[in-house]
Parts: sequence; C-alpha cells; structure tokens
Amino acid sequence: DIQMTQSPSSLSASIGDRVTITCRASQSVSVHLSWYQQTTGKPPKLLIYGTSSLQSGVPSRFSGSGSGTDFTLTISSPEPEDSATYYCQQSYSTPYTFGQGTKVEIK
Amino acid sequence: QVRLQESGPGLVKPSETLSLTCTVSGAAINSYFWSWMRQPPGKGLEWLGYIYYSGSTNYNPSLKSRVTISIDTSERQFSLNLNSVTAADTAVYYCASLGMTGIMRAFDSWGPGTMVTVSS
Repeated sequence: DIQMTQSPSSLSASIGDRVTITCRASQSVSVHLSWYQQTTGKPPKLLIYGTSSLQSGVPSRFSGSGSGTDFTLTISSPEPEDSATYYCQQSYSTPYTFGQGTKVEIK
Repeated sequence: QVRLQESGPGLVKPSETLSLTCTVSGAAINSYFWSWMRQPPGKGLEWLGYIYYSGSTNYNPSLKSRVTISIDTSERQFSLNLNSVTAADTAVYYCASLGMTGIMRAFDSWGPGTMVTVSS
C-alpha cells in the first residue's frame, strides 16, 4: 500500500496569512493526488484533483502543486470558513489511501 | 450534480453483517465508478472499494474478503455488505462517486454519511 503522510498535523493561522500543507507519498503517485476539506459532521469535499486542478465551485485561493512523492496544498489568503481538516489522497494505485489529516484553524 | 444518500441500520451486532445502500440521483449510473469509504469516530478516512456499472469491483485487501459491493442499475443503487463485524468496524460510512476520466481520479461527490455502531 502507498502510505500518505501529511504535515503538520495541525496549524493555526490568521485571516489573510498564507497556509501551506504538505503531503508525502511512500512511492510515486505521478499526478494522481487529490485534496479534500472536511468540517465537523460533514462529508469530505473535493478541492483539488490531479495535483493542481481546481474542482468546480472551489475558491481560487486554494491551489495545489507537486509531483511524484511530494505535494502541497496552499490557501493563499484564508478566511474563517476555511477552518477544517484537510486530507490528501492518492488514486495512483489501489488500495486508494488518505493522509492522516491536517487540522487548520483560521482566526 | 450527483447526489448520493446512504441508508441502512445504525446498529449491528458483533459477528453479523453490516448492509448499507447508496441511492444515486442527478447522474447516469454508468457515468462513474461508485465507492464506499468509512471514518471511525475522531479518525481518518479509509477506502473500502468501488464498483462499476458493469459489476466490476475492486476492494481494499485490508478487509480480508469480508466486503462485497453490488449494484442495481435499474434502482440506481449500489450496496455494501461487510460480514463478521467487530467493534473496530464502528464508523461513519460514506458512499461517493469516483470520477475516472482523464486527469480526474477523485471522489467528487459524497453522501452525507451514516453512522454504524457495532455493539451487542
């Protein structure tokens, strides 16, 4: 199985600060890396697929980059509603696997 | 816009079979792969498997053949069966659409989730 490791596990940032979350795969996943946002009691919501493609309806302050084993989710100017847990997920090979999550608090 | 809704018992006894159904609306059943995930309380996400409208399946080996996913295209539903459950199977179970066209290989729509507790 491909192991996905996110860092940090949690972070706190101020409104307007740039937020960066990293995700490392235990082997190459090519560009098949997605990012999801989950708020309490809700299902995950797809933000980014194919490493850097923005899902329809997702604000442009979210962006993704990387390739191979190292990936980044950036929130350029976060707003309070971006407080959530973020997960990366690889779809390069089954079993599909998720990172452990990064809890983000925007104050 | 794909809409998904899980249904099934919220309480299952140990050693019995967990059975859930996901009803699809807003999209053709042959447009996606259809998947199940779960999330134990306070923990991360685990992919359980997927099914295509043709009936082709792919399962997470971690479940050791306890899992079966089936599809009823006429009812626009797909189902999850997980047998020999234990307390470790207590989780919120989600169904989701898995887009698999071009660069898109992601779970793009999710049901609201249903909590299943394994307890006697």
